[in-house]
Amino acid sequence: AQSVTQLGSHVSVSEGALVLLRCNYSSSVPPYLFWYVQYPNQGLQLLLKYTSAATLVKGINGFEAEFKKSETSFHLTKPSAHMSDAAEYFCAVSRASGGYNKLIFGAGTRLAVHP
Amino acid sequence: DAEITQSPRHKITETGRQVTLACHQTWNHNNMFWYRQDLGHGLRLIHYSYGVQDTNKGEVSDGYSVSRSNTEDLPLTLESAASSQTSVYFCASSPSLKLQNTGELFFGEGSRLTVL
Repeated sequence: AQSVTQLGSHVSVSEGALVLLRCNYSSSVPPYLFWYVQYPNQGLQLLLKYTSAATLVKGINGFEAEFKKSETSFHLTKPSAHMSDAAEYFCAVSRASGGYNKLIFGAGTRLAVHP
Repeated sequence: DAEITQSPRHKITETGRQVTLACHQTWNHNNMFWYRQDLGHGLRLIHYSYGVQDTNKGEVSDGYSVSRSNTEDLPLTLESAASSQTSVYFCASSPSLKLQNTGELFFGEGSRLTVL
């Protein structure tokens, strides 16, 4: 069964520092992978997605993620954190069911950005 | 603009009562989903629908039901609310989730349910 594991439920960085949020997936076939962001009291919104095109995927707000098949990883990075990046981030993998996909989410990583 | 709305946004109820959470989308998406969000568990799929009259159980469907009588709405019903169902519930929709055309999910803002 396909699943995702997010390492670290909480990550804290200084403003201007590198952001690295880790995600590993388990999948018997090449997966579709996603990162979503949830700001306080809001629903989730898509940051970026990997669908077997380029392995380095660029998303909104300066985030990017690299698909590494050898490491079964899809880590999310941003070179320089802003205060506005404080949110919860979810990695997700698509799982096939009857010819259709549905998304399976990781437990989430809460990012704190301090001055 | 098209959107997805959930109501109520906040509800407190008592154990044993029936509760219905509404979800309405104006995207005209065929696919709709209900997730619950709990600390340490991320989002877990409760029920989903790929079109009118189609409903399917997710990984945590016990105690919940859905019905799909039109494209726009997928109400979630808790038949007899339990304290374990205290959670934040998110509705989402998607235009297409076929393997060859994986799409993204569009989420509502959530409904916070407290069962006392």
